[in-house]
Amino acid sequence: AQSVTQLDSHVSVSEGTPVLLRCNYSSSYSPSLFWYVQHPNKGLQLLLKYTSAATLVKGINGFEAEFKKSETSFHLTKPSAHMSDAAEYFCVVSGLSGGYQKVTFGTGTKLQVIP
Amino acid sequence: DGGITQSPKYLFRKEGQNVTLSCEQNLNHDAMYWYRQDPGQGLRLIYYSQIVNDFQKGDIAEGYSVSREKKESFPLTVTSAQKNPTAFYLCASSIVGIAAYSNQPQHFGDGTRLSIL
Repeated sequence: AQSVTQLDSHVSVSEGTPVLLRCNYSSSYSPSLFWYVQHPNKGLQLLLKYTSAATLVKGINGFEAEFKKSETSFHLTKPSAHMSDAAEYFCVVSGLSGGYQKVTFGTGTKLQVIP
Repeated sequence: DGGITQSPKYLFRKEGQNVTLSCEQNLNHDAMYWYRQDPGQGLRLIYYSQIVNDFQKGDIAEGYSVSREKKESFPLTVTSAQKNPTAFYLCASSIVGIAAYSNQPQHFGDGTRLSIL
C-alpha cells in the first residue's frame, strides 16, 4: 500500500525566517517523491522531485527537500521565507502498483507568511 | 508555450443537468488525468487515460464520465448522478503512465470551479 502524510495542515512563519513543511510516506517499492505548490484558484506547479539519485534535491524558488529512507520522510525546506511563498504545498508519492504508475497526494499544508 | 488548458474557469450546474469540462494539452503527453479537489482532502483521482481510446476509473469515478478520442483532449462530464459536484476540478498530463516511468511528474491546468445553482 502507498500513502503520504503531511504532518501539518497549516504552517505560519515570519518573512525572512526558515520554512519547514513535513512529509512522511509509505511505499512498497522505491518511490519517486514530489513537492508541488498551489496558489489560490490555480493548478499545481512542480517544485522539485526525488527519483533515487541525490538524496538532497534542489528545486525552484530556493526550496529543497531531503529524502531520508530510514525515517521515510521527505521534508521541504527553505532558508528564508518570502511573501510570495504563501500558498498550499502538496507532497506526492509515485510508485508501481499493478503494473502502472500510482500517484498519491498528501492533504496539503497551507503556508502563511507574516510580514 | 506548451501547457494544459482547462475551460471554463467557472461553471454552474442546474439540478438534473450534465455539464462537460474541457481539458486540452499541447505537450504531446500520452497520459491524462482528472482530479477533484475539496478543501482539506487533497486531490482525488476521478479518471485517467494512458492512451487514446482507453481510460480507467480512478478512486471516485461514480457520477462522472470521460472520453479520449484525441491525444490532446480529455473532456470530463459531470452527470446528474453526481449528487455533490461542487468542487475544484484539475486536469493533468504526464509523458507516460506506465510502470517504467513512475518518476515523471504531472503537469496541471489551472482548474475549473464547479458550483450548483
